Amino acid sequence: KAGVTQTPRYLIKTRGQQVTLSCSPISGHRSVSWYQQTPGQGLQFLFEYFSETQRNKGNFPGRFSGRQFSNSRSEMNVSTLELGDSALYLCASSLAWWEGEETQYFGPGTRLLVL
Amino acid sequence: AQSVTQLDSHVSVSEGTPVLLRCNYSSSYSPSLFWYVQHPNKGLQLLLKYTSAATLVKGINGFEAEFKKSETSFHLTKPSAHMSDAAEYFCVVTGGSYIPTFGRGTSLIVHP
Repeated sequence: KAGVTQTPRYLIKTRGQQVTLSCSPISGHRSVSWYQQTPGQGLQFLFEYFSETQRNKGNFPGRFSGRQFSNSRSEMNVSTLELGDSALYLCASSLAWWEGEETQYFGPGTRLLVL
Repeated sequence: AQSVTQLDSHVSVSEGTPVLLRCNYSSSYSPSLFWYVQHPNKGLQLLLKYTSAATLVKGINGFEAEFKKSETSFHLTKPSAHMSDAAEYFCVVTGGSYIPTFGRGTSLIVHP
């Protein structure tokens, strides 16, 4: 079974631009979560989607948004990029993220550099 | 509310010696606890998880962890370190919330 795939793997943008990252979950998985990983803040939860609905959202500004399609693929968008948005963005999928008991499987991440 | 503290930012061991990575947690609910490993430029891989079953949890690659409620700990151990174990390790807690909380990570360094 194929793992979680994320595209693109690397991205360079300039301040003020916007970016869209894509995540394809493991076949059959309906829950997709997004995380931001930086050296300063560590791993932080962005949001989680299940069956096209955002169920949970972390403490990030409204510039960070996401969506999930009927095939469970998910995209996240960051508008008006700032230098501090430079990070590794990780996507994780699971069958159903019920109270944390379901295992999340992580993709390799998209490394975003904002200049 | 929940939180997790990884007590060591770096742990250095020699190949063939035991590994101990320490994790303390707090949770208002019965927690689920996980250990993940991240190799350079890779995503996270699940090592093991505790979800209110056996308190001693065995994972992949010879790792295991013991849930100790009285000590609110979930330390990760391995009897004998291998060079390929060098990586970043994350302790994760969830409890009553869909939002997992990650520790800051412990970098495991393995010397030949």
